[in-house]
Amino acid sequence: KAGVTQTPRYLIKTRGQQVTLSCSPISGHRSVSWYQQTPGQGLQFLFEYFSETQRNKGNFPGRFSGRQFSNSRSEMNVSTLELGDSALYLCASSPGGGGYEQYFGPGTRLTVT
Amino acid sequence: SQQGEEDPQALSIQEGENATMNCSYKTSINNLQWYRQNSGRGLVHLILIRSNEREKHSGRLRVTLDTSKKSSSLLITASRAADTASYFCATGPLYNQGGKLIFGQGTELSVKP
Repeated sequence: KAGVTQTPRYLIKTRGQQVTLSCSPISGHRSVSWYQQTPGQGLQFLFEYFSETQRNKGNFPGRFSGRQFSNSRSEMNVSTLELGDSALYLCASSPGGGGYEQYFGPGTRLTVT
Repeated sequence: SQQGEEDPQALSIQEGENATMNCSYKTSINNLQWYRQNSGRGLVHLILIRSNEREKHSGRLRVTLDTSKKSSSLLITASRAADTASYFCATGPLYNQGGKLIFGQGTELSVKP
């Protein structure tokens, strides 16, 4: 099976702009989670989607949003970018339900200038 | 905020030696997982241990879990230079369905040839 893919891999944006990141999970996986990784805060959970519904949400401002499509592909959007949003954004998929291992994509490196 | 604390933050050993990393967490869990990350890339799942298990093995990896102390350890035996990476523990909260994981800060392991 193909692994989790994320596009784009690298992105440079200017403060105030918005950005959309895409994630394609492993075929058959219904759960997609998003994480932000920064040197200061480490790996932080953003949200999880399961069957097109947001099932869990982390402690991030409303500028961070996401959605999942019927084919389980997911997108996350960040509006009004701030310098502190510069990070590696990781997407992970799993078959569903709690207690499963997660399969991570290579990440999207976002730089906000 | 992070769920777990990992100890040590950095570990440097020679090839062939064993490496032990520890993880402590705060809340009740459904499972605990260990992941490896090479140089800011995506995470690779290593092993999952459920809250009713005490020890688990996978190849050169041995994981223990002590729920009474809210702690876990990862032992890598006969380390190789290719084991050089950051290692993260992640917990799946008990009263939470779905794929939300809470990560520790990680241990940077350097294995010198």
